[in-house]
Amino acid sequence: DSGVTQTPKHLITATGQRVTLRCSPRSGDLSVYWYQQSLDQGLQFLIQYYNGEERAKGNILERFSAQQFPDLHSELNLSSLELGDSALYFCASSVEVGANTGELFFGEGSRLTVL
Amino acid sequence: GENVEQHPSTLSVQEGDSAVIKCTYSDSASNYFPWYKQELGKRPQLIIDIRSNVGEKKDQRIAVTLNKTAKHFSLHITETQPEDSAVYFCAAKGGGNKLTFGTGTQLKVEL
Repeated sequence: DSGVTQTPKHLITATGQRVTLRCSPRSGDLSVYWYQQSLDQGLQFLIQYYNGEERAKGNILERFSAQQFPDLHSELNLSSLELGDSALYFCASSVEVGANTGELFFGEGSRLTVL
Repeated sequence: GENVEQHPSTLSVQEGDSAVIKCTYSDSASNYFPWYKQELGKRPQLIIDIRSNVGEKKDQRIAVTLNKTAKHFSLHITETQPEDSAVYFCAAKGGGNKLTFGTGTQLKVEL
């Protein structure tokens, strides 16, 4: 158990719909990352938050948005869903000490299926 | 932005042999290079990492080497065992503070 909790574990929805994925980081970790992993694909970086502020942004679609709340949990919102959005979405958290990145601890992922 | 290339995409070795996975990166400001192992249906987990002020790091059967001049780093697994079978991802943290992953290597250790 990494200490990172993601909900829901599985989600099936239709094209055009909107979903919200939730992540609770490890206790004490201020940094949260979101990654997308499509079938047989690598880990595509979406976005990083640090203590409530956006810190780095990857190739995140405009249809996707995220935020980190004061209690440090994070949500990834996916809207106007397309078939190609079907993927495993991972959240990870880490301890950031200055400019040094610590180990990323991944959650179990949320598997999104868009029909 | 940072671009990380990883080779090979698949690697099959006999149990007891060594396995080497190589990655190159593009951002010369990159300073942190972790390796993650992802077993089928599981989350990625860190197995070893190296920072830019170190050329080599070893942890039991696993070692990582870094060549900053050539901008490449490698994972070496010795005396491979069936439980080493998994997908391995390299990653690099560039100047933009993003941790960019390679495309992964499917390692299969055959008996």
